[in-house]
Amino acid sequence: DTGVSQNPRHKITKRGQNVTFRCDPISEHNRLYWYRQTLGQGPEFLTYFQNEAQLEKSRLLSDRFSAERPKGSFSTLEIQRTEQGDSAMYLCASSLRSGTGGNEQFFGPGTRLTVL
Amino acid sequence: SQQGEEDPQALSIQEGENATMNCSYKTSINNLQWYRQNSGRGLVHLILIRSNEREKHSGRLRVTLDTSKKSSSLLITASRAADTASYFCATDTGNQFYFGTGTSLTVIP
Repeated sequence: DTGVSQNPRHKITKRGQNVTFRCDPISEHNRLYWYRQTLGQGPEFLTYFQNEAQLEKSRLLSDRFSAERPKGSFSTLEIQRTEQGDSAMYLCASSLRSGTGGNEQFFGPGTRLTVL
Repeated sequence: SQQGEEDPQALSIQEGENATMNCSYKTSINNLQWYRQNSGRGLVHLILIRSNEREKHSGRLRVTLDTSKKSSSLLITASRAADTASYFCATDTGNQFYFGTGTSLTVIP
C-alpha cells in the first residue's frame, strides 16, 4: 500500500447522468476526506468520515451528492443528476487521527469529472 | 466559502533566493498546515503547526503562526527550481478543513 488511490482518474458524462467515484485510503488511516477543486482554486472541503461514520458535511454538498464508507475502509462519492457546474477535480485524502495527532492528510491523485 | 487567503497570489524569484508567502484565516483553529501542489499533480503535505505553537522548522521550510492576527507565513529558504508549485495553507477547525486560494511560486533557474 503506497498511498491513496482513486478510481476512475477521469470521467466524462452527460448532464443528468449519475456518476460514482471510489477512494481507497492508506490502510491504517481512520479518517477519509472528500474535496472538490476547480482550476486556479484551492480544494473545497465536502465531507469526512471517521471510520464508517460521516462526521461532517459542507453546505457545498447538495442533496445530489452522497458519500459512503460502509466498512470504514474505501469510500464512494456519488453525484446524481450531474450538472455542468459539477465539472471539477474530486480529491480524496486520508489521515490517522490520534489523541494528540495533527491530522496530516495524504491526498490521492484525484478524479477529474467533465460534465458535457 | 474558503476560509484562508494566501498572499501574494503569484511570486517569481531567482533560484537561491528566499520565498515568503502569507496566509490569513477567519475562525479559531486547531492547527494550520501547508501543502504543495505541482501542476497537474496531487497535494503534498509540507508542515503542520499547532495553535499553541508560534514557529516551526522543517528542512528549508519555516512556518510561523500568529493566532491573534489569524495569520501564518511560510518561508522557503535557498529556493530551487523544483520548488516551483502552488502552495496552499489549510486550517483545521476540528470539524472542517479549509484550504486557501494558493500562492503560485515560480523559481527561475
